[in-house]
Amino acid sequence: GDSVTQMEGPVTLSEEAFLTINCTYTATGYPSLFWYVQYPGEGLQLLLKATKADDKGSNKGFEATYRKETTSFHLEKGSVQVSDSAVYFCALSDWGNTGNQFYFGTGTSLTVIP
Amino acid sequence: DAGITQSPRHKVTETGTPVTLRCHQTENHRYMYWYRQDPGHGLRLIHYSYGVKDTDKGEVSDGYSVSRSKTEDFLLTLESATSSQTSVYFCAISSYESSYEQYFGPGTRLTVT
Repeated sequence: GDSVTQMEGPVTLSEEAFLTINCTYTATGYPSLFWYVQYPGEGLQLLLKATKADDKGSNKGFEATYRKETTSFHLEKGSVQVSDSAVYFCALSDWGNTGNQFYFGTGTSLTVIP
Repeated sequence: DAGITQSPRHKVTETGTPVTLRCHQTENHRYMYWYRQDPGHGLRLIHYSYGVKDTDKGEVSDGYSVSRSKTEDFLLTLESATSSQTSVYFCAISSYESSYEQYFGPGTRLTVT
């Protein structure tokens, strides 16, 4: 079945450091891939997405490229800020017998210190 | 922000009591989902709906039931709450028109004592 594996945290970085959060997936079809962010006490918000191989999703300085050959969708940001402190979830969307289903990774907690 | 509300936002209940959580959307999205979030497990799908009166089980459906009598409401019921159901519950919606992106509600924190 479909699944998502992302690097375990927590991750602690200094402000302006480079961020990478690894995500790999297993899927039977041609999934869409997503990164969601969750700030404390809130629900998940879509950060970026890619719907086919070699697509790059980007938003708020974050980027991720859909790599079919390595089944990966790693999240990167060149210079993190304290306000980026949150939990990040990698997810894929695929089609099952009764429609569209999502599969989430376990989340990676990021803390950025000044 | 997508129009999704969840009620109640917080609830404390005793073991063995029934509990119903409500998810309400104003977006007319076809798909609705219930997840639970627990440390170390991320989000796990409980049940989902692909239309009015059409529902299916997710990964962790034991002890939970759902109902969807109209497009905008999706109810999650714990028939007899147990301490293992203490969690944060999130509702999400998606549709073809939204490219199947999932939009999440603010969550309900449920504590079973």
